[in-house]
Amino acid sequence: SQQGEEDPQALSIQEGENATMNCSYKTSINNLQWYRQNSGRGLVHLILIRSNEREKHSGRLRVTLDTSKKSSSLLITASRAADTASYFCATDDDKIIFGKGTRLHILP
Amino acid sequence: KAGVTQTPRYLIKTRGQQVTLSCSPISGHRSVSWYQQTPGQGLQFLFEYFSETQRNKGNFPGRFSGRQFSNSRSEMNVSTLELGDSALYLCASSPGYGYTFGSGTRLTVV
Repeated sequence: SQQGEEDPQALSIQEGENATMNCSYKTSINNLQWYRQNSGRGLVHLILIRSNEREKHSGRLRVTLDTSKKSSSLLITASRAADTASYFCATDDDKIIFGKGTRLHILP
Repeated sequence: KAGVTQTPRYLIKTRGQQVTLSCSPISGHRSVSWYQQTPGQGLQFLFEYFSETQRNKGNFPGRFSGRQFSNSRSEMNVSTLELGDSALYLCASSPGYGYTFGSGTRLTVV
């Protein structure tokens, strides 16, 4: 079964706005990772947050982790057209398990 | 440094045939994982290899198999192909945490 579940399934926003995606998971984790996938391509690793961290930044990305709620959020600030992609969270138990992703579409 | 290389990029096979996909990990990465991605099921874990040994296996039938060589290159094989095996097959290598993915092999079974 899927370990990570992203929400929403799809999101359309205007260029320049912020995009927030959420991820919930079921069991305890060592770390949680976010990946981006452009249409039909491989996944690109964006950011990893460890279970003892609450927030992490990387450029325009901000990730939060709430282990008590078993949830994480990915915030992309000042969105650009190039951010249009699917975003996946993945948890690392004994193997990495992905959710079904959030499809983000940035409108010009 | 070179990324994860998957070959071939595209493949069309007929039902009942078998197929072998190849993945060359990033130099120094000893862990290689395989995933199947379909629109309906999302990214499904197939198996992981580490130092030529299968370390984890997902819930796929025995028609799906893999192996890893001493140079960490990995192959996966699917026998007796079914229409439902049409998917993007992704390989990822890891030095221990965080995965780097290849561009995938798009398999179409007709």
